[in-house]
Amino acid sequence: EPEVTQTPSHQVTQMGQEVILRCVPISNHLYFYWYRQILGQKVEFLVSFYNNEISEKSEIFDDQFSVERPDGSNFTLKIRSTKLEDSAMYFCASALGALNSPLHFGNGTRLTVT
Amino acid sequence: AQSVSQHNHHVILSEAASLELGCNYSYGGTVNLFWYVQYPGQHLQLLLKYFSGDPLVKGIKGFEAEFIKSKFSFNLRKPSVQWSDTAEYFCAVNAGYNNNDMRFGAGTRLTVKP
Repeated sequence: EPEVTQTPSHQVTQMGQEVILRCVPISNHLYFYWYRQILGQKVEFLVSFYNNEISEKSEIFDDQFSVERPDGSNFTLKIRSTKLEDSAMYFCASALGALNSPLHFGNGTRLTVT
Repeated sequence: AQSVSQHNHHVILSEAASLELGCNYSYGGTVNLFWYVQYPGQHLQLLLKYFSGDPLVKGIKGFEAEFIKSKFSFNLRKPSVQWSDTAEYFCAVNAGYNNNDMRFGAGTRLTVKP
């Protein structure tokens, strides 16, 4: 069964540094998402992406965040200047369609900001 | 906006015990309902989903869930749990017209004692 893959599995970075989290969605999926889960808290929606542009974003997704689909396979989340509170598990997900289509999640990248 | 409540933070059962995990949502319109499972060290996996039709939904690994519209509930059940069911279980909901902004419950950690 095709899977969403994320790299790296764990990223440690210093406060103020830029990080890029990478995701390879399922190949025939068209809708892409980033979620995050701060330890002990809920899984939270960050952003959705379709047709090479952001379709929706939450209030968490401020100017420090950006997403990109640089080629036909990768979907990246960039945090420009990391803060301690960005430490979380970041999940990438993809879906075949926009309606009634379950999300398929990757293993997540654990980001630790020190 | 929709929200999801999971009543139990941590459930501990012995093997062969029956399981019921509560999930309530708040949203007045048409919803899609999901249960995801996250085994230790692994990604979120879809356990089952409800879009429409029979409110009793059967998923993988012997799990089922019942959508009770009048109670805004979508409880997860399994008649006899196994040690391998030890995992975190997340209820999720999105508005039926839009995949974006999937809302997750806080999760319930299930520990099954052998």
